Amino acid sequence: NAGVTQTPKFRILKIGQSMTLQCAQDMNHNYMYWYRQDPGMGLKLIYYSVGAGITDKGEVPNGYNVSRSTTEDFPLRLELAAPSQTSVYFCASREQGGETQYFGPGTRLLVL
Amino acid sequence: RKEVEQDPGPFNVPEGATVAFNCTYSNSASQSFFWYRQDCRKEPKLLMSVYSSGNEDGRFTAQLNRASQYISLLIRDSKLSDSATYLCVVNRRVGTYKYIFGTGTRLKVLA
Repeated sequence: NAGVTQTPKFRILKIGQSMTLQCAQDMNHNYMYWYRQDPGMGLKLIYYSVGAGITDKGEVPNGYNVSRSTTEDFPLRLELAAPSQTSVYFCASREQGGETQYFGPGTRLLVL
Repeated sequence: RKEVEQDPGPFNVPEGATVAFNCTYSNSASQSFFWYRQDCRKEPKLLMSVYSSGNEDGRFTAQLNRASQYISLLIRDSKLSDSATYLCVVNRRVGTYKYIFGTGTRLKVLA
């Protein structure tokens, strides 16, 4: 199993550009999460999904969108990049009934 | 006040030392508790879950005190490879489970 994979690893965006951060898991987990981690801060939940077709907002959803068309994939979309979105983005998944979250390697995003 | 609070450190300890971290949480509805380890520029990885009865995994011991709302992590015989940031994570049910992350405690084990 590859676990949770994320692409790209690193990206530089200009203000106003858009991009999609990809996340995939091959563990057949129902639950998937997107977090952002700023320096010296704890992980903040952006969006989460409890299964294909179902998504919900987390703590800091503004400026982001998600979709969950399959169990495996949970892409995060930034429509109009802003410097405040400079961060490290982690995707995570967990199985139904389980408590352990498994994280992907992260995407470092720099918005200039 | 943050829902989960940790001393950011860094804790600088010599190899072989014993070091302890505490984490406090403010929401008494919190149900599950975890310690994650995060290496520099890497993803968090589960170190251990924390139970009321306490649990031990080799050199690592975790304790939960529900009455005082804190959890602890004890590392004995520190190794250079233990150098990392240790994240306290608390879980409570708000519809689905909600995970609250502390900002982490940095540990540096020195040769």
